[in-house]
Amino acid sequence: EPEVTQTPSHQVTQMGQEVILRCVPISNHLYFYWYRQILGQKVEFLVSFYNNEISEKSEIFDDQFSVERPDGSNFTLKIRSTKLEDSAMYFCASRSGTGANQPQHFGDGTRLSIL
Amino acid sequence: GQNIDQPTEMTATEGAIVQINCTYQTSGFNGLFWYQQHAGEAPTFLSYNVLDGLEEKGRFSSFLSRSKGYSYLLLKELQMKDSASYLCAVRDMVRDNNDMRFGAGTRLTVKP
Repeated sequence: EPEVTQTPSHQVTQMGQEVILRCVPISNHLYFYWYRQILGQKVEFLVSFYNNEISEKSEIFDDQFSVERPDGSNFTLKIRSTKLEDSAMYFCASRSGTGANQPQHFGDGTRLSIL
Repeated sequence: GQNIDQPTEMTATEGAIVQINCTYQTSGFNGLFWYQQHAGEAPTFLSYNVLDGLEEKGRFSSFLSRSKGYSYLLLKELQMKDSASYLCAVRDMVRDNNDMRFGAGTRLTVKP
């Protein structure tokens, strides 16, 4: 069964550094998402992406964040200058375009640790 | 966004039945999803409801009442591996551009 894949599984970065989290969505999916989950807390929506542009973003997704689909397969999340509070699990998800009942499929996540 | 409320924790016994409730408020309801999340893992899709009524899928069933803003997930014949968090998520076509938002999740512990 097709899967969403994320790399790396764990990223350790110094505060203030830039980090890029990578995702390969399921190949025929059209909608892409990033979520964040701080340890012990809820899954929080960051951004949705469709037709090569951001369709919705949350208050968390400020100017330090950006997303890109540089080619036909990758979907990346960049944090420009990381803060301690950016430490969390980041999940990528994708959904096909065929009907509102299609669920989002999640990758295994990248655990981001900011030192 | 929506207010999505679920109990924080529940405990049940192996072999029993448990019902996990979810209430929500939306501007333009367009579907409710239940996901299962084991600790340290990704959420995995369990069920989808957009019309009132019960959707059954093996040991798991999900119910929706749109007029009451209410759903429940019913787990039958509980197994130890069902210990996980269960996330209620709602899609709102007005407030959130039809994107999905999660509740805080209900942590279910299944005991022998």
